[in-house]
Amino acid sequence: ETAVFQTPNYHVTQVGNEVSFNCKQTLGHDTMYWYKQDSKKLLKIMFSYNNKQLIVNETVPRRFSPQSSDKAHLNLRIKSVEPEDSAVYLCASSWTFEQYFGPGTRLTVL
Amino acid sequence: GQQVQQSPASLVLQEGENAELQCNFSTSLNSMQWFYQRPGGSLVSLFYNPSGTKHSGRLTSTTVIKERRSSLHISSSQTTDSGTYLCALEPGTGSNRLTFGKGTKFSLIP
Repeated sequence: ETAVFQTPNYHVTQVGNEVSFNCKQTLGHDTMYWYKQDSKKLLKIMFSYNNKQLIVNETVPRRFSPQSSDKAHLNLRIKSVEPEDSAVYLCASSWTFEQYFGPGTRLTVL
Repeated sequence: GQQVQQSPASLVLQEGENAELQCNFSTSLNSMQWFYQRPGGSLVSLFYNPSGTKHSGRLTSTTVIKERRSSLHISSSQTTDSGTYLCALEPGTGSNRLTFGKGTKFSLIP
């Protein structure tokens, strides 16, 4: 069953544009995450957000920013995309240990 | 039915023993990924394995497409190996969407 929803599925844009990806979870979890999966298929944590506390992976460029309206939503905004931002972005949520992942958004930067 | 089934759901071993985790899938496969999740932590990608055998330290991943299975072998397990191991299927349909197994919770007895 799908309980972590991501939109869009795919997005193609040009260098310098701003993009925003949406993530919503209906599980009542208190923590949400954004991951980046690069061309080598390695998954890396970007952000985790819990009770208004944001934890940022220090390797994440400052053009990336998470945006949350409530604990069920954690969107990802990229202010000015770069070619190396092309990747799949996965959103996840958790209550304790187990994380539930959304299907991902594939970003292609031309 | 569930497309990706992991077994066992939980595993308790003594330090130094070898562990074998299994993942069976029922759909076409492009690749199988294995992740490690430390208790309370985020996911770490271990292997991206479309077929055959891959090694990383004490870890070995083997994917056999014809038999619709992938395994993760941990040799000489250590207490730091404790956590949840997840496999995720990348379908062979060209979609970027990952389907995750429910994970194996692995605990070590010193």
